[in-house]
Amino acid sequence: GAGVSQSPRYKVAKRGQDVALRCDPISGHVSLFWYQQALGQGPEFLTYFQNEAQLDKSGLPSDRFFAERPEGSVSTLKIQRTQQEDSAVYLCASSSNNQPQHFGDGTRLSIL
Amino acid sequence: LAKTTQPISMDSYEGQEVNITCSHNNIATNDYITWYQQFPSQGPRFIIQGYKTKVTNEVASLFIPADRKSSTLSLPRVSLSDTAVYYCLVGFGAGSYQLTFGKGTKLSVIP
Repeated sequence: GAGVSQSPRYKVAKRGQDVALRCDPISGHVSLFWYQQALGQGPEFLTYFQNEAQLDKSGLPSDRFFAERPEGSVSTLKIQRTQQEDSAVYLCASSSNNQPQHFGDGTRLSIL
Repeated sequence: LAKTTQPISMDSYEGQEVNITCSHNNIATNDYITWYQQFPSQGPRFIIQGYKTKVTNEVASLFIPADRKSSTLSLPRVSLSDTAVYYCLVGFGAGSYQLTFGKGTKLSVIP
């Protein structure tokens, strides 16, 4: 498809497990972003990539959160030793040439 | 990053024009104003962006006064499918990378 694709759409994990969330940006988009959206709240910035370089990770809530984009295309957000407060929707967005960001439909993560 | 203030919720009947106003008193010279729409279980969708005066596209209009301390998103003749949360954002440059969303305005369109 032409849009940002995220997988899985839903993920349930037990507290303490590690999870990995995938984002396929729009082809050719240089910039890639991750956001976390809690129920009833707006998305909150986590981290930003330009190609394979992670230029800003100031929004990552703890060192349990790790993101990578090794070849400058697909990105993975990894959360280690998940906690209940990690339950949220994780959104990925991409953009190109200083244009507005295009969002995927997110991965809903539930930690039991 | 400039902070924005917008109503928590609004109701409108089908077919009416809806205007959602956003305050951004601390907007910087290089900041653009961007509006996103979000439906349940979907990611935000870009609606419109502007810097000053008026911008119109096939979906909405954006009115920005000369002092740029506020902006108004105008949705003509809303339908039930326009029920969504609308976010106003300001940021440096047209493609601001660290978007700050706030809580948005929940628009409910009533038949």
